[in-house]
Amino acid sequence: QVKLQQSGAELVKPGASVKLSCKTSGYTFSTSYMSWFKQIPGQSIEWIGMIYAGDGGTGYNQKFKGKATLTVDTSSSTAYMDLSSLTTEDSAVYFCATWFAYWGQGTLVTVSS
Amino acid sequence: DVVMTQTPPSLSVAIGQSVSISCKSSQSLVYSDGKTYLHWLLQSPGQSPKLLIYQVSNLGSGVPDRFSGTGSQKDFTLKISRVEAEDLGVYYCVQATHFPNTFGAGTKLELK
Repeated sequence: QVKLQQSGAELVKPGASVKLSCKTSGYTFSTSYMSWFKQIPGQSIEWIGMIYAGDGGTGYNQKFKGKATLTVDTSSSTAYMDLSSLTTEDSAVYFCATWFAYWGQGTLVTVSS
Repeated sequence: DVVMTQTPPSLSVAIGQSVSISCKSSQSLVYSDGKTYLHWLLQSPGQSPKLLIYQVSNLGSGVPDRFSGTGSQKDFTLKISRVEAEDLGVYYCVQATHFPNTFGAGTKLELK
């Protein structure tokens, strides 16, 4: 069955960067798209961007350009999202998902000094 | 960006009741391939979102047929017939026709 396993919760200081992972199994990763989302608890969901694992081609929400960088490692069927220059406004749960049908369990990122 | 307006923001229902949720977009959601990429998700408390309906009216995998989706262009509706306890949570519509993909604010379904 399809599984998306995300990395564990992160506590990071303002100004730092963090790299989140989303390890997949149960489907052909190399010919699929992976999207990433941000959700502040109690609020709706924002689409950050997507990456095609076949060639690494990306599309970003303008709001997150410069903040998020999406990459993939097809050898391990894993997608990554780098978040840079973190502020308290980046504190949220981040999800990976493919085709809106399969979702990771989410990674809580807390930015605090 | 395409604005997705969901109503109502919350619903209080009894088990067995039927309910509808509306989602209206600020632009047509018909893509150049003729398909409409409007989906419905349910986020149960503390869980990841789950796909209920894709492309307006297609049931997601394992989703009971108590759920149905209708609509076209800019006006869409999710109907839940005979609400069950497991249906409680926040429902979101999301459009994937235009970049960036955008979500509605959500409709919280609670027990009366």
